[in-house]
Amino acid sequence: AQSVSQHNHHVILSEAASLELGCNYSYGGTVNLFWYVQYPGQHLQLLLKYFSGDPLVKGIKGFEAEFIKSKFSFNLRKPSVQWSDTAEYFCAVMLGYSSASKIIFGSGTRLSIRP
Amino acid sequence: KAGVTQTPRYLIKTRGQQVTLSCSPISGHRSVSWYQQTPGQGLQFLFEYFSETQRNKGNFPGRFSGRQFSNSRSEMNVSTLELGDSALYLCASSLVWTNTEAFFGQGTRLTVV
Repeated sequence: AQSVSQHNHHVILSEAASLELGCNYSYGGTVNLFWYVQYPGQHLQLLLKYFSGDPLVKGIKGFEAEFIKSKFSFNLRKPSVQWSDTAEYFCAVMLGYSSASKIIFGSGTRLSIRP
Repeated sequence: KAGVTQTPRYLIKTRGQQVTLSCSPISGHRSVSWYQQTPGQGLQFLFEYFSETQRNKGNFPGRFSGRQFSNSRSEMNVSTLELGDSALYLCASSLVWTNTEAFFGQGTRLTVV
């Protein structure tokens, strides 16, 4: 069965530190990839998405992610985090050409930023 | 443009009761999907509707059902509530039903006591 793995359940960083959150998926076909963020008490928001083209995608708030097909990975990065980045981050995979609803989510990574 | 609207935001129900949750998608979006979010299981897909037809269904018991109306608004129903149904129920809408991103509502927090 297809699955999405997020390696870190809880990451604690100081402000200005660099961030990399890992995401791996298991599916051999075409995929569309997403990172969503859920700030405390708020709804899921799309950070960035990959459908095709340049495997390095830039999202909102200075986040970027790189799709490495050979590694089945889509890691999220930010060069310098801020206290306001404290949130839960979800990697998600949509199986290619499938319904928009067939999105498989990772278990999430809680990011805590020390001011 | 208004986002995805879910009502109510919070709900407390007793075991054995039933509940109906509502979702209004972004204007023009025709696909609505539902997810259950719990601390233990994360985000799990419930079902998806497009043009009033259920297109996909997740691995949930028959107590969970839904429907979509001609204006794309959707409802989900849970009958014979169990304690384990306590969760945040999220609705997401998409422009079409394939190969597009989903936009999420704020969710309905259901507590079963």
